[in-house]
Amino acid sequence: DAKTTQPPSMDCAEGRAANLPCNHSTISGNEYVYWYRQIHSQGPQYIIHGLKNNETNEMASLIITEDRKSSTLILPHATLRDTAVYYCIPYNQGGKLIFGQGTELSVKP
Amino acid sequence: GAVVSQHPSWVICKSGTSVKIECRSLDFQATTMFWYRQFPKQSLMLMATSNEGSKATYEQGVEKDKFLINHASLTLSTLTVTSAHPEDSSFYICSASRGARVNEAFFGQGTRLTVV
Repeated sequence: DAKTTQPPSMDCAEGRAANLPCNHSTISGNEYVYWYRQIHSQGPQYIIHGLKNNETNEMASLIITEDRKSSTLILPHATLRDTAVYYCIPYNQGGKLIFGQGTELSVKP
Repeated sequence: GAVVSQHPSWVICKSGTSVKIECRSLDFQATTMFWYRQFPKQSLMLMATSNEGSKATYEQGVEKDKFLINHASLTLSTLTVTSAHPEDSSFYICSASRGARVNEAFFGQGTRLTVV
């Protein structure tokens, strides 16, 4: 399984964009990049995923570099409810979801 | 979206007793369920993969005789922590998958186990 590197913590002002980076330099060709988040004392919540192309949904945007060695999750207008730990996970569909240490995002008023 | 429910949400038990945690998929059939454990300030650690009608597959270092997993139906998996000790106190989380894509995997709300 590919390993990931994420900053342990980040702060973001409410209403501003939150950009969460992730390095996954050992990702294999058939692994997608998935992002989950975990609000304190709850189960993880799926956010978005992608393989090569950038993706956008109602929650976030995902930017994947051309070499696929890193990606950035963008929350366009962060709110206090977006305070959570964000996990970037390379995933081979049909395999196991393995969580790294994630980034603890604090959205401040 | 699909709902996965865990029960109980929290439990306190005496050292040496066993505790059963249930994970139910409420509106879909889950071919595979996963059990995780999370200690304070740490990430989720995968314990085992539970497949309906077959034995669970445990991750390295997880004692299968201590953490009994039963996946008797497509909507229910149970984790039993046998002879619990204080070091088993943790947040246990299940996820249920209705397909191979992880965005079709949904997580329960977790169970806080405290062994006293």
